[in-house]
Amino acid sequence: AQSVTQLDSHVSVSEGTPVLLRCNYSSSYSPSLFWYVQHPNKGLQLLLKYTSAATLVKGINGFEAEFKKSETSFHLTKPSAHMSDAAEYFCVVSDGYSGGGADGLTFGKGTHLIIQP
Amino acid sequence: GAVVSQHPSRVICKSGTSVKIECRSLDFQATTMFWYRQFPKKSLMLMATSNEGSKATYEQGVEKDKFLINHASLTLSTLTVTSAHPEDSSFYICSASGSYTDTQYFGPGTRLTVL
Repeated sequence: AQSVTQLDSHVSVSEGTPVLLRCNYSSSYSPSLFWYVQHPNKGLQLLLKYTSAATLVKGINGFEAEFKKSETSFHLTKPSAHMSDAAEYFCVVSDGYSGGGADGLTFGKGTHLIIQP
Repeated sequence: GAVVSQHPSRVICKSGTSVKIECRSLDFQATTMFWYRQFPKKSLMLMATSNEGSKATYEQGVEKDKFLINHASLTLSTLTVTSAHPEDSSFYICSASGSYTDTQYFGPGTRLTVL
């Protein structure tokens, strides 16, 4: 069985400061891990994914995440927050061998990112 | 590319009626489609997985007879909520992946309100 724990339900940072959204996972196999973002009234957008290649994954909009097997973590970071980053962020795991394409995904409960001007 | 649409975006219905939600992959062939449900301020829960031309595989606890899923073509899957009740009110999201993608692409979701 797989599971995802997002350690913070809300994170508030000032514009221009670094962002850290924390995620821990549990998986029986070598997992595929994803971060998705959901803006109000918009569909889920893939930020980045890890599928057993490089442990430091770079995504869109300046986000990146590092897969740390020893810590079972996949934290999302961004050096400098922008107002447009305000949204709900989901850490997601897939146990399947397809890299997430053919297997159902397990979502964390989400972290609401607030950007203070 | 890799756009998934859902229709309708919002629907309100009376208790006891059935509602059909469509999910379409607009620019790729979706061999697998997924249906998720999102409760207010909660995470997404996988309801079922469907492969084109096959019966859907439902997650434990999801009523097959209440949530009918059809994936008759490589670009269309439908979710029918039968005899809807207020507790079925939720945000339903579909996703799709193709033979040559290892990523699920999500639709914008459908807000169902049952009165």
